Amino acid sequence: EDKVVQSPLSLVVHEGDTVTLNCSYEVTNFRSLLWYKQEKKAPTFLFMLTSSGIEKKSGRLSSILDKKELFSILNITATQTGDSAIYLCAVEGLIQGAQKLVFGQGTRLTINP
Amino acid sequence: EPEVTQTPSHQVTQMGQEVILRCVPISNHLYFYWYRQILGQKVEFLVSFYNNEISEKSEIFDDQFSVERPDGSNFTLKIRSTKLEDSAMYFCASSVVGYTFGSGTRLTVV
Repeated sequence: EDKVVQSPLSLVVHEGDTVTLNCSYEVTNFRSLLWYKQEKKAPTFLFMLTSSGIEKKSGRLSSILDKKELFSILNITATQTGDSAIYLCAVEGLIQGAQKLVFGQGTRLTINP
Repeated sequence: EPEVTQTPSHQVTQMGQEVILRCVPISNHLYFYWYRQILGQKVEFLVSFYNNEISEKSEIFDDQFSVERPDGSNFTLKIRSTKLEDSAMYFCASSVVGYTFGSGTRLTVV
C-alpha cells in the first residue's frame, strides 16, 4: 500500500529558530515529491522535487530529496510567526497509467514570538 | 497567476440530499482531481479525471459519487445521497506538471 509518513506531527519553536520537517514515502512508480503549506484552506505549493540530491530553495525555505532512502526534508531557517501552518508532503505516483498524489498526515508547525 | 476556482466555499446540506461541488480548473491543464480532507485528518485522494473519463478512483469514491466535465471548463463532483461522514473539505486540483489546488468547499452534512 502506498504511504507517506511525516514527522514530527507537531512542532512548536520560537521565532528565529531553524526547523527541519521530515517526509518518508513508499509510493508505486514515484514521479515527484511535493511540499505544500496549508494555513486556512487550500494547500499552497512550495516545492516539487524529482531528482535526488538537488536542493531547491525559496527564501528561507529549502528542500531536498533522497530517492535511494525514500525521504525528503523541508528546512525553514530564521522562522517567523507567519510560518505557522500545517506543512504537507505529497508524493506523486503513477498507478495503472493514472497519476495521483498520496499525502502525508502533515506537520503542524507553530512559531511563537 | 492562474487559479483553480471552487464554488461554493461552504455548503450545508441535510443527510440524504444531493450536492454538486463545482470547480473551474486552469484552462490548459489536462488532469483533474478531487481530494477531501475530513477535519483533523489527512488529505485523501478521491478521483482523477483525464480525457473526459475517470482514470483512477479510490475506495472512498463509491456509487454515491460521480464526476463530470459538462462543458469543457467546469469540473463537478456530485454526491447523490449525502451521509454525515461526507462532511469534509473538498479540494479540486488540476495539473499539467505539478498540481494547483482550489480553495476548497467545506461541506457540512447535518
